[in-house]
Amino acid sequence: KNEVEQSPQNLTAQEGEFITINCSYSVGISALHWLQQHPGGGIVSLFMLSSGKKKHGRLIATINIQEKHSSLHITASHPRDSAVYICAVRVRGAQKLVFGQGTRLTINP
Amino acid sequence: DSGVTQTPKHLITATGQRVTLRCSPRSGDLSVYWYQQSLDQGLQFLIHYYNGEERAKGNILERFSAQQFPDLHSELNLSSLELGDSALYFCASSAFGQGGQETQYFGPGTRLLVL
Repeated sequence: KNEVEQSPQNLTAQEGEFITINCSYSVGISALHWLQQHPGGGIVSLFMLSSGKKKHGRLIATINIQEKHSSLHITASHPRDSAVYICAVRVRGAQKLVFGQGTRLTINP
Repeated sequence: DSGVTQTPKHLITATGQRVTLRCSPRSGDLSVYWYQQSLDQGLQFLIHYYNGEERAKGNILERFSAQQFPDLHSELNLSSLELGDSALYFCASSAFGQGGQETQYFGPGTRLLVL
């Protein structure tokens, strides 16, 4: 079993829909990252969380440390949100990141 | 543009060969991370350097090595290449913001194809 599991693996939705991507992890962590990988391959760091909730524009990320679970929400989704979203955790006491397999999101106009 | 540069963008080589991938971090960033992204394994952490010193090792093969130079650029050396080494190799540099929270900035990647 992977230390970081994301669901769903693939998600297709219509423009305007509310999107939720989930990430569960099984190790102790010091932080959790959400990354966005564009179709061309480039990776952008969206959020780093160690507790609670963060919001940036239409993106919201939450984390529940006790349940070892995080969600990434996209409100009013748009075709330009189509990308692979990757959850990564920083293992407590280590400098390494462990990545989920990613969620491929497609937003149709 | 993240401010992190990687060269080359694409590299095609043969099995058994050796290649060097180069990464220049954002100005002022002392940390450099290397990652490998293959189709079947997803993103994997390889190694982390901070101000010239190795800080952590992940799933890095013995055939691979890395270093960070005094000017903070880093090189990842891959030797005795195998078909399975074909992947995207990313580097990232990091900065610490308010509250000591670290943000990683990813380079555009080097796409390696081993034939």
